[in-house]
Order: sequence, then structure tokens, then C-alpha cells
Amino acid sequence: NAGVTQTPKFQVLKTGQSMTLQCAQDMNHEYMSWYRQDPGMGLRLIHYSVGAGITDQGEVPNGYNVSRSTTEDFPLRLLSAAPSQTSVYFCASSYSQDEQYFGPGTRLTVT
Amino acid sequence: GENVEQHPSTLSVQEGDSAVIKCTYSDSASNYFPWYKQELGKRPQLIIDIRSNVGEKKDQRIAVTLNKTAKHFSLHITETQPEDSAVYFCAATYSGGGADGLTFGKGTHLIIQP
Repeated sequence: NAGVTQTPKFQVLKTGQSMTLQCAQDMNHEYMSWYRQDPGMGLRLIHYSVGAGITDQGEVPNGYNVSRSTTEDFPLRLLSAAPSQTSVYFCASSYSQDEQYFGPGTRLTVT
Repeated sequence: GENVEQHPSTLSVQEGDSAVIKCTYSDSASNYFPWYKQELGKRPQLIIDIRSNVGEKKDQRIAVTLNKTAKHFSLHITETQPEDSAVYFCAATYSGGGADGLTFGKGTHLIIQP
């Protein structure tokens, strides 16, 4: 049981490039979410999903897209990276919408 | 939406003393309040949580209290040890249909002085 996995662990992008952060869980959790963590800001919700085919926006969704075609996977897409998206990104999953389990994170730098 | 305020931002205590971190929330519909511990470079890990039908919950040296009327909840760590040094986050959400994820406080850096 791997729990929540994220790839890559580190990524450097140039402004304007696109990329997808991968997130997968093997706990059959319906609820998955993406957060970004910036110094002194805590964790802020980007997008979340309550099940396959259903996604919704969180507090800071601009510049990010998500999809949920399977229960296991919840990728986060940056269509045109900006320096303001430099952050640590955490994916989380939970059986309900409370006890969330976090992945190891992806540290993204946009130059 | 929900807003969570957390204080203090940094807390330094002597090893063996107690530490208290306080949070307030704004949405009276919130009914689930977890606390996460994050060590440097690691992921946040759930250490304790409380639901709105309970006023206090304890797990060994860690306890959480909730005052629904005042909309605040606190984390209490007794007999602090060096391994308690970390950043602690409180969070709040409505656990049920239509919830929009956890809203986190900005974190408290707890430093245990030897």
C-alpha cells in the first residue's frame, strides 16, 4: 500500500512552459485535492475532486487545470507557468472530506 | 468562505514545558478541526483531530480543545521533547456534502530549547 504518491519530486520550468504534476493513491479514496504551500502562507487549496468525473475549484485555482478520469489519479496541469507558481505542491486524498493524507510533495521553480 | 487565524507564528519553549497553539475560525458550519505537524522538507501529517460534537480530545502528550461558541480551538502539547520541534498547522472544514476542502492556518513554528 503506497498511499499517496507524487511525481516529480523536483521540477524547474521556464516561464510559459506547461507541465503536469502527477498524483496517485491506492487507498480507493473518493476525495482528492491539490494544495500549494508558500512560506508564511500555510497550505491553500487549488482544486479538489469528490469522485471520478467531478472536480471543483478551491481558493487559488487560476492558472491550474485538473481532471479526474479514474478514482486513483488526479493530475494537476500548469498550462503556461509563471514565476508566481513557484511553490511546493501537495496532493491529498481521503475517504471522506476530512482525514486527509498528503503525498510527499513536488517542489516547483519557475524562472 | 472559511477563514482560519493561527497564533503564535513562532513559539519557543524549554524542553519539558508545555506548548499551546491557538486557532480561530469564522464559519459556524465548520465541524471538523484537524492539526497537522510538518517537519522540514516533509509532508504534513495528521496528529490529532476533533469534531464539533466533542469539547476535548487527548492522545498521550497531545490534546485539542474546541469552543464552538467562541469559534476557537487549541492544541496543547505537554512535556515537550526535541522531536516536537516542527511547524504545526490547524485547519477547519465542514465535513459533509458540499464541503470545499480544508482551510489551513498559516502555521506555528514550534522550537524546543534543550
